[in-house]
Amino acid sequence: QVQLQESGPGLVKPSETLSLACTVSGGSISTYYWSWIRQPPGKGLEWIGYVYDTHSGSTNYNPSLKSRVTISVDTSTNQFSLKLSSVTAADTAVYYCARGAHRHFYYGMDVWGQGTTVTVSS
Amino acid sequence: QSVLTQPPSASGTPGQRVTISCSGSSSNIGSNTVNWYQQLPGTAPKLLIYHNNQRPSGVPDRFSGSTSGTSASLAISGLQSEEEADYYCAAWDDSLNGYVFGTGTKVTVL
Repeated sequence: QVQLQESGPGLVKPSETLSLACTVSGGSISTYYWSWIRQPPGKGLEWIGYVYDTHSGSTNYNPSLKSRVTISVDTSTNQFSLKLSSVTAADTAVYYCARGAHRHFYYGMDVWGQGTTVTVSS
Repeated sequence: QSVLTQPPSASGTPGQRVTISCSGSSSNIGSNTVNWYQQLPGTAPKLLIYHNNQRPSGVPDRFSGSTSGTSASLAISGLQSEEEADYYCAAWDDSLNGYVFGTGTKVTVL
């Protein structure tokens, strides 16, 4: 059974880069769409983007975050990662990684990590 | 601000049927399939319905999804206390070229 686990610093300073990793266990990282989603405290879910094709590392990002986001995959460690630059307090959220089987998520995101809380503060 | 609009809250007594609406547009629900997620307090979201009306293995058939034009609905029949949670619709948006979540609906079991 595939499991996802997020990891990374829980505290990031304003203007710095947030970096998180998601480790995929119990299955292959190939042929799926690996997403990051976030949820600010007391608010709803926001899709950040996904990486697909472990060879070319093709990506698709939320237009509202595109200028600051990089999602990449490392097949040697079965991990994919998120980098969000120039963070502000508005980026404080629980960050989730998740798996999808279709580029438009016609089958939904069927496996989720437990989430990791990131606070942006000096 | 989300492009998929849901009522902020819904409620019912145990055993009742509760319906949650999700209003979108031609670029999302009108042209792509809808998924629904359940988020129990303090936990990660869980896929509840995919492809408008399909249930993943393990999801009770008391949960059902439907679509009509640019709107979607989730129905919970035989509401149980452990189903008190936040529910989100989601769909791909062709105009935004991204995946959008609904505003979320908190279901309370009275």
